[in-house]
Amino acid sequence: KAGVTQTPRYLIKTRGQQVTLSCSPISGHRSVSWYQQTPGQGLQFLFEYFSETQRNKGNFPGRFSGRQFSNSRSEMNVSTLELGDSALYLCASSPITGGQGRKDTQYFGPGTRLTVL
Amino acid sequence: DAKTTQPNSMESNEEEPVHLPCNHSTISGTDYIHWYRQLPSQGPEYVIHGLTSNVNNRMASLAIAEDRKSSTLILHRATLRDAAVYYCILRQNTGNQFYFGTGTSLTVIP
Repeated sequence: KAGVTQTPRYLIKTRGQQVTLSCSPISGHRSVSWYQQTPGQGLQFLFEYFSETQRNKGNFPGRFSGRQFSNSRSEMNVSTLELGDSALYLCASSPITGGQGRKDTQYFGPGTRLTVL
Repeated sequence: DAKTTQPNSMESNEEEPVHLPCNHSTISGTDYIHWYRQLPSQGPEYVIHGLTSNVNNRMASLAIAEDRKSSTLILHRATLRDAAVYYCILRQNTGNQFYFGTGTSLTVIP
């Protein structure tokens, strides 16, 4: 089975621009979660999608948004980029969600490295 | 968010066992304990998880204290490929998200 894929792997943008990142989960996985990783804040949860619905959201401003398509592929968008948005953005997929998934594992992609100049 | 506490860094000699501790004194009865590791320039990868009993798999063992307020990840023979940041995470009943702490950076000395 192919793993989680994320595109693009690297991206350079300037302040004020917007960006869209893509994630393809493992085949058959219906839950997709997004994380931001920075040296200062570590790994932080952004949001989770399951069956095209946002199920959980972390503590990030509204500039961060996402969506999930019927084939479980997911995109996240960051509008009006700020220097502090420079980070590694990680996507993770798992078969199920919520309370049933306490013992379920998440499979992470390699991430998209976003640099904001 | 259920919190975990881990040492910032640890060192181990190659081919020796490594015991990575984690404190989670606020754990609730339904929280699973998960361990992930992140190799340089990669996303985190699953290592092991458990609820109450000790667990073993091909990568590692997980020893869980009787009161569940702490756990230890055991790598039986450290290799250079095991050099990574190891995260201990409590997986709660609500939601599918992981709350990562700062993790332990493991250095393996040849």
